[in-house]
Amino acid sequence: AQTVTQSQPEMSVQEAETVTLSCTYDTSENNYYLFWYKQPPSRQMILVIRQEAYKQQNATENRFSVNFQKAAKSFSLKISDSQLGDTAMYFCAFMKLGYSGAGSYQLTFGKGTKLSVIP
Amino acid sequence: AAGVIQSPRHLIKEKRETATLKCYPIPRHDTVYWYQQGPGQDPQFLISFYEKMQSDKGSIPDRFSAQQFSDYHSELNMSSLELGDSALYFCASSSTELGDTQYFGPGTRLTVL
Repeated sequence: AQTVTQSQPEMSVQEAETVTLSCTYDTSENNYYLFWYKQPPSRQMILVIRQEAYKQQNATENRFSVNFQKAAKSFSLKISDSQLGDTAMYFCAFMKLGYSGAGSYQLTFGKGTKLSVIP
Repeated sequence: AAGVIQSPRHLIKEKRETATLKCYPIPRHDTVYWYQQGPGQDPQFLISFYEKMQSDKGSIPDRFSAQQFSDYHSELNMSSLELGDSALYFCASSSTELGDTQYFGPGTRLTVL
């Protein structure tokens, strides 16, 4: 079974500054995806970024980028130029790919990091 | 772009009643997942469907059942509701052709009194 650990229950950052959220995971699998999802106060789950384990290049989406260290099983999210709308709970999630096929790619989530952006 | 639709958005039930939650996936998505998120918790996988067939089950109580219909919408049926079933229930859909990334609906908030 896979486990995902987010060691920072809460963080805060000043508007326009940069913040990094940590995530580590434990798996014996070699073929998987990693995600960051954002859950604002509305409770909607919003995809932030995705990383395929077979790719060495770190994923980037506008102000959001990841530092994927496969050997260390680490997957951190960096948010640049933080904005008030970034205030949310951020969940790191693991998706195992494998032989069971489509529909078996359930997400395993960490406990989340609550990020507050301060004006 | 079209998103996942869930209905109802809010539902209040009494203990021992039944509830039905509906999910309409993004058009042309072939896979649906159901998750339960308790207060202050991370989402937990319940059950999934691919091409209208059940694919996988997680920590879903026997009191719950689900199915996916010919138009790909899915329903989660919950019977003999308990106070502990109060939670946010998410449906997510994905496409095997588009890389299996799951996109979540807005959720149904179920309150059991």
